[in-house]
Amino acid sequence: GQNIDQPTEMTATEGAIVQINCTYQTSGFNGLFWYQQHAGEAPTFLSYNVLDGLEEKGRFSSFLSRSKGYSYLLLKELQMKDSASYLCAVKDSNYQLIWGAGTKLIIKP
Amino acid sequence: DVKVTQSSRYLVKRTGEKVFLECVQDMDHENMFWYRQDPGLGLRLIYFSYDVKMKEKGDIPEGYSVSREKKERFSLILESASTNQTSMYLCASSPTDRESYEQYFGPGTRLTVT
Repeated sequence: GQNIDQPTEMTATEGAIVQINCTYQTSGFNGLFWYQQHAGEAPTFLSYNVLDGLEEKGRFSSFLSRSKGYSYLLLKELQMKDSASYLCAVKDSNYQLIWGAGTKLIIKP
Repeated sequence: DVKVTQSSRYLVKRTGEKVFLECVQDMDHENMFWYRQDPGLGLRLIYFSYDVKMKEKGDIPEGYSVSREKKERFSLILESASTNQTSMYLCASSPTDRESYEQYFGPGTRLTVT
């Protein structure tokens, strides 16, 4: 079967750095996405990785290792507005997105 | 600014009622999707469409049907609503480029079936 694993919840302090991990087992791989979802709102796109390595975009970075079936999202200089759920999704061999259950990130002052 | 809109943010229906959820996108995207989102579970794909009048079953199509008569509009239909269909329903769209396309989501409809 296909499986995406992420921690259910994480807590971090304002101004700090947090790393949210995602491991996957899917039938084929055609890219990995990270989305942010604030409570009661729609998911919004954060990043896309298809090759191994680190993609940096401002305070957010995303890393991929295809051989390990592993990705992480790194958030730097945390702000209160970063409190949200972070969804990992993998595009499988049929180009369909398989979604993780999401990681709820709580930022404390 | 890209936009996906859904007909209702909140909806309360009774068991056995026929329910229509509508989604409209203004980005001229070919692909449209319906998901449901439940606590502790990832987004689960109900149906998707790659073109007008075309539909494909997702992972959980039972109890649902869809209609895509126009490119910009994708409707989800619950023929006879049941309490286990109480959920958040999210519509999304994306362009045809299958390599790196991201999906754009609507605000969601929280459906309660009593």
